[in-house]
Formats: sequence, C-alpha cells, structure tokens
Amino acid sequence: DTAVSQTPKYLVTQMGNDKSIKCEQNLGHDTMYWYKQDSKKFLKIMFSYNNKELIINETVPNRFSPKSPDKAHLNLHINSLELGDSAVYFCASSYQADTEAFFGQGTRLTVV
Amino acid sequence: GDSVTQMEGPVTLSEEAFLTINCTYTATGYPSLFWYVQYPGEGLQLLLKATKADDKGSNKGFEATYRKETTSFHLEKGSVQVSDSAVYFCALSDTDKLIFGTGTRLQVFP
Repeated sequence: DTAVSQTPKYLVTQMGNDKSIKCEQNLGHDTMYWYKQDSKKFLKIMFSYNNKELIINETVPNRFSPKSPDKAHLNLHINSLELGDSAVYFCASSYQADTEAFFGQGTRLTVV
Repeated sequence: GDSVTQMEGPVTLSEEAFLTINCTYTATGYPSLFWYVQYPGEGLQLLLKATKADDKGSNKGFEATYRKETTSFHLEKGSVQVSDSAVYFCALSDTDKLIFGTGTRLQVFP
C-alpha cells in the first residue's frame, strides 16, 4: 500500500493551460503539504493544511490553489501555467506539523 | 528564521570509502533534525532522525548525532556502496513545517 500517492507522475502541458495534481495519504495524518523542487533540487514549501484548514501559504502566486476535500486529500490546481512553473511537485503528510513528513513520488510538471 | 546549511556537492567516493556529509542549522527553539534521501526519479524517504540534543539517529549503516553545542547533524557511513548514490537532504522541524537544506549529491563508484 502506497502511503502518500500523487497523480499524475508526469505532466507535460502548454503555457496558459490549467492543470491539477491529486494527492492522497492513507496514514491517518492530520497535516499535508505541497513542496516544490526546482532543477537544482532545492525544496521549498508551498502550502500546509491541518485537518482541511490552510496553515501555510508561502508567497505562492494565486494561480496556485490547493483544495482539501477531507484530511486524507490535498489537491493542487494551477491556472494559466507559465514556463517557470516547470518543476517537480511533492505532496507530503505528517502526524503533526513538526514531525517527520512522508513524501509522495512527485509529479514532474513540464510547461512548454 | 530557522535554516539549514549543507555542504555543496557532489561528493564522489569509491565503494567502501567513509562518508561524511556536513549539516549545520540555525534555530530559535529545539527542533527535531532529519536526514532524507532521494534516489533518482523518486520521492524523499526518511533516512534517520533525532529529536533532542545528543540523540543519535541511525539506519542502514548511516548515523548522525544531534550536537547542540555545534548546531550540527553530520551524516556518516563507514563503508558506502554504489547503491547509496543519491541526493541527501538535511532538515529541521520548524513549528509548522520542515525546512530543508539544499541537498548534497553523493556519487559512489565501483
């Protein structure tokens, strides 16, 4: 059983399109995150949700909108995609916000 | 704010060599410290952790000790294998998230 699963694994799309990435965790965790990893492997937090409530929004453009329908799911919708959005996006979850996080396999987004 | 500094990579070693990857941190409180590993094309996996000063985390032959006096959490392994080739991330727990270092790529050759 995959603990944190995200789909799709690869996403290639044109500039200006809207796309979504889905994430689900079966660990019973209360906290979920989205991280962005750039081409140099640098990881930066984008959003954090605790029990479906937004906790962190780290100066992410408002083209990015997270949605948490329940505490096991945290989806990421991106409007009007730009070339600079190309990166690997990781979903993660943790029991509490300051404990170890469990990561999904990542979604490699390529905007052309 | 809190931060993590890791040594620049890549670190290139021959199989069975000794590995050290340096990590230092800046924090106002008493964070937990972590090492994560990312194999090519995969997500991050927790390698080991330490939750308080002088704790030693260990897993798969890797070790790191939480040193409050030097604000460090260096990763060590006595004998690396080709299969250890990956990117290693040091991280600390802030109040509401993990903060990661920039990652260190390890390349092990036969």
